[in-house]
Amino acid sequence: GQSLEQPSEVTAVEGAIVQINCTYQTSGFYGLSWYQQHDGGAPTFLSYNALDGLEETGRFSSFLSRSDSYGYLLLQELQMKDSASYFCAARAGTGRRALTFGSGTRLQVQP
Amino acid sequence: DVKVTQSSRYLVKRTGEKVFLECVQDMDHENMFWYRQDPGLGLRLIYFSYDVKMKEKGDIPEGYSVSREKKERFSLILESASTNQTSMYLCASSSGDQETQYFGPGTRLLVL
Repeated sequence: GQSLEQPSEVTAVEGAIVQINCTYQTSGFYGLSWYQQHDGGAPTFLSYNALDGLEETGRFSSFLSRSDSYGYLLLQELQMKDSASYFCAARAGTGRRALTFGSGTRLQVQP
Repeated sequence: DVKVTQSSRYLVKRTGEKVFLECVQDMDHENMFWYRQDPGLGLRLIYFSYDVKMKEKGDIPEGYSVSREKKERFSLILESASTNQTSMYLCASSSGDQETQYFGPGTRLLVL
C-alpha cells in the first residue's frame, strides 16, 4: 500500500527557517505534493514536485529526491500566520488521481 | 475563483440514521473526492469519482456509499451512521490529470 511518514510536530520562532520532512513508500509514484491547513480551515495546495530538485515559491520551497523516496518542505522567514498543519501527499497508486496523505506535521511558530 | 462548497459545516445525527453529505464544485472538474480527517491520521480517502456515474473505492469505503449524478455534485452517504463515523469530512475536486486538489470547508459530523 501507500504510506507517507512525516513528523507530528515542529516548533520554531518567528523569522527562522524550518524544514518538514516526508518519506514515502508508494507504487506508481508520480510526484509529491504539499498542502497547508489552518485550524478549522480547508487544506490548500502549496507545491508539487514531479522531478528531483528544489522548487521555490516565495518563502516556501519544496524538494524531492526520488532515489531516496524523500522530500521536504522548507519555510523561510517564518511568520506567525505560518502556524498550521502541513501534509505531504502522493498519488494513491498507479493511474489513480486520488491522493494518499501523510498524517500531517503541526507547525507552531512562536514569537 | 475556484469554489467547492459542502452542504453543512456541522451535523449531529443519531446512530442508525441515514446521512447525506453534499459537495458541489463550480470549476467543471472531472474528479471529485471524499476524505475523512481524524486527529493523528491525516486525510483518508473514502471514495472518488472520475466522471458522472463513475465511482471508485478509496482506502476506507466500508459503511459509506457515494452518488454522482451530475458533474458538479458528489454526495457521500452513510447508510446507517455509527459513532465511529464521527469525524471531519472533506470534499475535494481536481481537473483532468492535474495534481492540485481544491477542498471544501469540511463538514464536522457528530454521531450520537
